[in-house]
Amino acid sequence: DTGVSQDPRHKITKRGQNVTFRCDPISEHNRLYWYRQTLGQGPEFLTYFQNEAQLEKSRLLSDRFSAERPKGSFSTLEIQRTEQGDSAMYLCASSFTFLKNEQYFGPGTRLTVT
Amino acid sequence: GQQVMQIPQYQHVQEGEDFTTYCNSSTTLSNIQWYKQRPGGHPVFLIQLVKSGEVKKQKRLTFQFGEAKKNSSLHITATQTTDVGTYFCAGHSILGGGSGSRLTFGEGTQLTVNP
Repeated sequence: DTGVSQDPRHKITKRGQNVTFRCDPISEHNRLYWYRQTLGQGPEFLTYFQNEAQLEKSRLLSDRFSAERPKGSFSTLEIQRTEQGDSAMYLCASSFTFLKNEQYFGPGTRLTVT
Repeated sequence: GQQVMQIPQYQHVQEGEDFTTYCNSSTTLSNIQWYKQRPGGHPVFLIQLVKSGEVKKQKRLTFQFGEAKKNSSLHITATQTTDVGTYFCAGHSILGGGSGSRLTFGEGTQLTVNP
């Protein structure tokens, strides 16, 4: 399967704990995106990478959130000191640059903060 | 910041009826994309429109991009139960650098189809 994969698919954590999610994009894609989606809402942009460079980060993203893509392949999203408001589906997507920039989404990681 | 709005939020139709969802952006877009998300699934890319006034068809689906490149619509003719899901529009604002900028999603229109 050459689609976007995410791990874990579900994560339950207690408030105040740190969590880390992983995304493996489609191998030929050089862009990787992170989104957050809550029930009844569209995906909300968090950040994106072109290769290993983080090009944009949402102003809504607090400094508790950090993302990396160290070798331009997989990416990790870390949330420190989780809060109940962080409970959501975290989606990763990848794409080519420019002409063919449609995004291919992974299955997501559902985070529940208790 | 850029906002993308969709109406209606929900639409219930009988199988065979037509369905339309409308998308409006607060800023001019370089392109607009449409995605479908089935219940419990993730967004799946449907189509991208780039040109002002562009119309594209995919079988029973017709997509339009407004002349001012600030609005778009998706029309489904003769809905089927397989059309069930949430339809999102998403746009790249020209203010953010066009296709090199973030993609902003609307809130989606949730379609249910009664057989």
